[in-house]
Amino acid sequence: EIVLTQSPDTLSLSPGERATLSCRASQSVRSSYLAWYQQKPGQAPRLLIYGASSRATGIPDRFSGSGSGTDFTLTISRLEPEDSAVYYCQQYVSSPKYTFGQGTKLEIK
Amino acid sequence: QVQLVESGGGVVQPGRSLRLSCAASGFSFFNYGMHWVRQAPGKGLEWVAVMFYDGSRQYYADSVKGRFTISRDNSKNTLYLQMNSLRAEDTAVYYCARDESSIYFDYWGQGTLVTVSS
Repeated sequence: EIVLTQSPDTLSLSPGERATLSCRASQSVRSSYLAWYQQKPGQAPRLLIYGASSRATGIPDRFSGSGSGTDFTLTISRLEPEDSAVYYCQQYVSSPKYTFGQGTKLEIK
Repeated sequence: QVQLVESGGGVVQPGRSLRLSCAASGFSFFNYGMHWVRQAPGKGLEWVAVMFYDGSRQYYADSVKGRFTISRDNSKNTLYLQMNSLRAEDTAVYYCARDESSIYFDYWGQGTLVTVSS
């Protein structure tokens, strides 16, 4: 079973700064099978990035994804207060099964 | 616009059953696979089940296999989750989500809370 481990658990940054969130897989993952979601308190998750680097509909270009193999990154440039949320990476595994990382909480000071 | 509205959550005793519904609108429901994903209080996301567009195939997480059944009624644009033999660890907000390319979840409902407690 492929496990996704996100780091850090919590990230505290100021508006205007850049956030770098990591998602590491225990085995190699096809890039096309890796997605990122944003979840604000009391809300459902929202798709941000699919295929490791493609932005979903309506997602600002401040959000970008990169990576391959076992290491994937979500970068949020020019942080805004509304970016405060928990961010999850997710992979598809054949069977099919779907797994998520444990999440990174991003706090905007 | 795509809308997914879950209902049917509530408080239920261990060992009992509950059926969740997810009403879909704003897209051609019959063309899409649909998932259930849950989130225990204060915890992360856990995929539960998927049913593909024509209802011919469904798959489950190991944690619910044999207890939960996913189904759909394309004539009513509605997805269901029949949950039997409920356990305390099934307590969670249950989201329905639309499948995209059998790989990820592009739209989510607002969720319905299921609490399993005596």
